[in-house]
Formats: sequence, structure tokens, C-alpha cells
Amino acid sequence: EPEVTQTPSHQVTQMGQEVILRCVPISNHLYFYWYRQILGQKVEFLVSFYNNEISEKSEIFDDQFSVERPDGSNFTLKIRSTKLEDSAMYFCASLLTRGGKTQYFGPGTRLLVL
Amino acid sequence: AQRVTQPEKLLSVFKGAPVELKCNYSYSGSPELFWYVQYSRQRLQLLLRHISRESIKGFTADLNKGETSFHLKKPFAQEEDSAMYYCALSAAGAAGNKLTFGGGTRVLVKP
Repeated sequence: EPEVTQTPSHQVTQMGQEVILRCVPISNHLYFYWYRQILGQKVEFLVSFYNNEISEKSEIFDDQFSVERPDGSNFTLKIRSTKLEDSAMYFCASLLTRGGKTQYFGPGTRLLVL
Repeated sequence: AQRVTQPEKLLSVFKGAPVELKCNYSYSGSPELFWYVQYSRQRLQLLLRHISRESIKGFTADLNKGETSFHLKKPFAQEEDSAMYYCALSAAGAAGNKLTFGGGTRVLVKP
């Protein structure tokens, strides 16, 4: 069964550095998402992406964040200048169609900002 | 605004006992409700959704719009049910279909 994959599984970075988190959604899916979960807190929506543009973003998704689907398979989340509070588990998800409704999640990338 | 509340952070039951995980939501529009499960060291995966009205691994959940609840139930818990369970809401018809999650309930089924 196809799965969403994410790389790296863990990343440690220094405050102020740029990080790029990578996701490969399921191949025929059309909607893509990033969520994050700070340790001990809820899974929070960051951004959704459809037809090569952002369809919705949360308040968390400020100018330091950007998403891209550079080559038709990868879906990336870039944090331009990381802060300590960006430390979290980041999940990518994909959805086949709006009617299908089931989002399939990747295993996550644990980001630690020092 | 959408909100999902799971009042229990931890539920500990013995094998064979019934288990009920509570989920309440707040949303002014028409909601779609889901239960996701995360087994140890695994990804979030869909357990069930209210639209399909199915039973998965013996779990059922009924959407009660009057009480704005979507509680998850299983009559006889098994040790393999030990996991983290998340209730989630999606706004029907909204662009992007983001999921709003509750805080999660950890279920521990003791032998």
C-alpha cells in the first residue's frame, strides 16, 4: 500500500538556521498538508496546498514558513530562520480528493532547534 | 472557529473491559468527524470516520449533533488497542479540508 514518506526523520539545527523538511505524498493525491505537534501539545494545522498554491494557512504559518512542490513529487516545508519554539514534530499529509476526506500522514520529522 | 476537546489524557482499562473515549467538538457549520490512532512508533492512521458509519477493529463512534460529541467505543478492549487516539474535525465543503485535532487520549490496556 502506498505511503507518505518524510525525510529526514530527525533534524537538529541551530537557532537562526534555515531548514527544509521534505515529504513525498502518495502519487495520485492532489491535496497536501503540513501539521506540527509541539511536545505534549495538540497536532496543529500549518498549511494546505492544492493546484500549486496555498489554499489555507494558519496563524502559525508566518513569513518564516514557505511550502513548495518543486518537481511534482516532493512537497517541502522551509523554515527560513528557525526559533527555539519551532522545535516540534512536523507531519506531512496528503489527500486524494476533497470528497475522499481521508488524509494520509507521513511518519513525521522531529525538529530540534538549539 | 473549530475546536475539539478530548477530556481524558489517559485511559487505563483491563483486557476485555469496555472502553469509551470522549470527544466533544465546537463548530458552527456542518462537521465531519474522524478518529485517528497512533500506535507506538508508528504514524497517525485513520481509524474511522462518521460518514462511513463502519466498525473498525471493533471500534464504533456515533456522531451526536445535539450533544456535539463523537465518542469512540469498544465493548472488549484488547492489549493491541494500547495507543494514542486523536479525535479530529474537518469542515465539510471547506477549501483545503484542514483537520482540527483534539489533544489526544492515551489508552493503556492491561493484561
